[in-house]
Amino acid sequence: QITLKESGPTLVTPTQTLTLTCSFSGFSLNTGGVGVGWIRQPPGKALEWLALIYWNDDERYRPSLKSRLAITKDPSKNQVVLTMTNMDPVDTATYYCSHIPPGFCSPSTCYTPYYFDYWGQGSLVTVSS
Amino acid sequence: QSALTQPASVSGSPGQSITISCTGTSSDVGGYNYVSWYQQHPGKAPKLMIYDVANRPSGVSNRFSGSKSGNTASLTISGLQAEDEADYYCSSYTSSDTWVFGGGTKLTVL
Repeated sequence: QITLKESGPTLVTPTQTLTLTCSFSGFSLNTGGVGVGWIRQPPGKALEWLALIYWNDDERYRPSLKSRLAITKDPSKNQVVLTMTNMDPVDTATYYCSHIPPGFCSPSTCYTPYYFDYWGQGSLVTVSS
Repeated sequence: QSALTQPASVSGSPGQSITISCTGTSSDVGGYNYVSWYQQHPGKAPKLMIYDVANRPSGVSNRFSGSKSGNTASLTISGLQAEDEADYYCSSYTSSDTWVFGGGTKLTVL
């Protein structure tokens, strides 16, 4: 059974750096094709994809936030960490981490999933002075 | 990276069918069969309902179906039930090797 859980501060002040940890179980980030992503949702607004890291350290970032984001993984601890610098009140949101399942190969082709099948419960982060 | 376009709200009566559209571009929805749909009840995490345009994960009711034509994907819910009342989001992989979500659609079961 796959589970993910986000942890981190509930309140940060403007200009601070946010560090969020995603602790997971039921899968390994050493497994080929597996990925863990971060998605946020401001109160009353839509989901917004932020970043993703694959088992092979391949990192992807939302272009508009790339300069402020960093995603790292520690497979031995079953954790993925997201840092976001220079926090602003507009960054107030619930932050979710999520799982991308591994792909597979048949004799003729390989399949790579591009969807998030398991999500954490979310962590509300408020940015305010 | 603009959000995919969804109607803000749709509604239907129990037993009816509704369809939610999700419009993107040739760089995302139109370029790949990697559209997914998520259901979100208030205060809860999103739940995967459809992946790769039209595939249902195990455990998701067959009342949920997905399709795509050109740059527009659609989620259809048939036999509407009260428990289907929620927000629905589409998502697509993009040509920039990133993901984009839609603005969300609030489904009201009358």
